[in-house]
Amino acid sequence: EDKVVQSPLSLVVHEGDTVTLNCSYEVTNFRSLLWYKQEKKAPTFLFMLTSSGIEKKSGRLSSILDKKELFSILNITATQTGDSAVYLCAAQDDYGGSQGNLIFGKGTKLSVKP
Amino acid sequence: KAGVTQTPRYLIKTRGQQVTLSCSPISGHRSVSWYQQTPGQGLQFLFEYFSETQRNKGNFPGRFSGRQFSNSRSEMNVSTLELGDSALYLCASSLYQGGPYEQYFGPGTRLTVT
Repeated sequence: EDKVVQSPLSLVVHEGDTVTLNCSYEVTNFRSLLWYKQEKKAPTFLFMLTSSGIEKKSGRLSSILDKKELFSILNITATQTGDSAVYLCAAQDDYGGSQGNLIFGKGTKLSVKP
Repeated sequence: KAGVTQTPRYLIKTRGQQVTLSCSPISGHRSVSWYQQTPGQGLQFLFEYFSETQRNKGNFPGRFSGRQFSNSRSEMNVSTLELGDSALYLCASSLYQGGPYEQYFGPGTRLTVT
């Protein structure tokens, strides 16, 4: 069965710290990897990565994909309390099946303390 | 462009009743996927529709069903509700089926079964 594993499951940092969230995947028909941020509501889309080694950046957030080693990282620099959320990683499968098109990890809960 | 919309946002039902949830995708998006999110299980895939056809189905009992209309709007139905059906139900839309296409989530419907 396809799977996505995120680590760590939870993380507590202080404002201004830099954090790295990890996501590894085993997906037979891999097409892309997506990152979402979820606060007390629906997941908000952050990035979609399809090519290895090309960093995507949005403000203080950046992400990169390694298709050889089957993992992705999400970096957040100069963290703020507003970054506190659960960060979800999902691998997109070309054919879906009973797991569907997006296979999600359990998420990393990030808490940023002032 | 308007985002994914879901109605209703909150629902309280009693065991044995049935419920219908609605999802309107982003304009132009033709694929709609449904997920159930609970604290213990995380995001679990229910089904995916594209061009009014169910393309993938998750491992949920037959009490869970759905459909998609010609305008890409989708509904899901849960019959004979059980306490364990209490969850956040999320729908996500994307341009086409498969990948790599970005999927955007709606705000969700919070279902409570008493």
